[in-house]
Amino acid sequence: VQLVESGGGLVQPGKSLKLSCSASGFTFSSYGMHWIRQAPGKGLDWVAYISSSSGTVYADAVKGRFTISRDNAKNTLYLQLNSLKSEDTAIYYCSTTHFDYWGQGVMVTVSS
Amino acid sequence: DVVMTQTPVSLSVSLGGQVSISCRSSQSLVHNNGNTYLSWYLQKPGQSPQLLIYKVSNRFSGISDRFSGSGSGTDFTLKISRVEPDDLGVYYCGQGTQYPYTFGAGTKLELK
Repeated sequence: VQLVESGGGLVQPGKSLKLSCSASGFTFSSYGMHWIRQAPGKGLDWVAYISSSSGTVYADAVKGRFTISRDNAKNTLYLQLNSLKSEDTAIYYCSTTHFDYWGQGVMVTVSS
Repeated sequence: DVVMTQTPVSLSVSLGGQVSISCRSSQSLVHNNGNTYLSWYLQKPGQSPQLLIYKVSNRFSGISDRFSGSGSGTDFTLKISRVEPDDLGVYYCGQGTQYPYTFGAGTKLELK
């Protein structure tokens, strides 16, 4: 199993960013997936989940601003981040259904 | 939301020693299906978290039997015996019983 995130970077408050998580080594379409984030020097913060049938659940802090999605043909998980705030600055990890496999993470920095 | 409280915040241990980390949840973690979705993770410096224990006491693939989990309801413990240098880092408990999924604040394991 391999999960590789991409798409992070420095973005101004109020702007948007789209993260990707490329999956391999398992039948991606059969599994739900999570995004989890970790602010610098802080603990783990669950962000969102998408089921194998594309049902979604979000943390209150990101509901209405972030959108999780998936493209099973491309074995890729996405996280669209809109209306970004400084408190969204974190390393963003994708993970499998039971948090058994994690990607290496991608840094998102929201700053003017 | 379910609040996960980990103690202690940090631990100093000698190589070969044994340690215990406590995790308490603000609500029972018994799911409607009868399972208890309490997991333990280790985040080594500069790395992504890795799953150690799932559903309270089940070791993930490849995890040493020096790691053991126990507990029920709202009170859980991770024990590490014969501590090795590779065990050092931050340990997190996490619950997957109820959305939003939540994690403890972490316990840092250091060498004495």
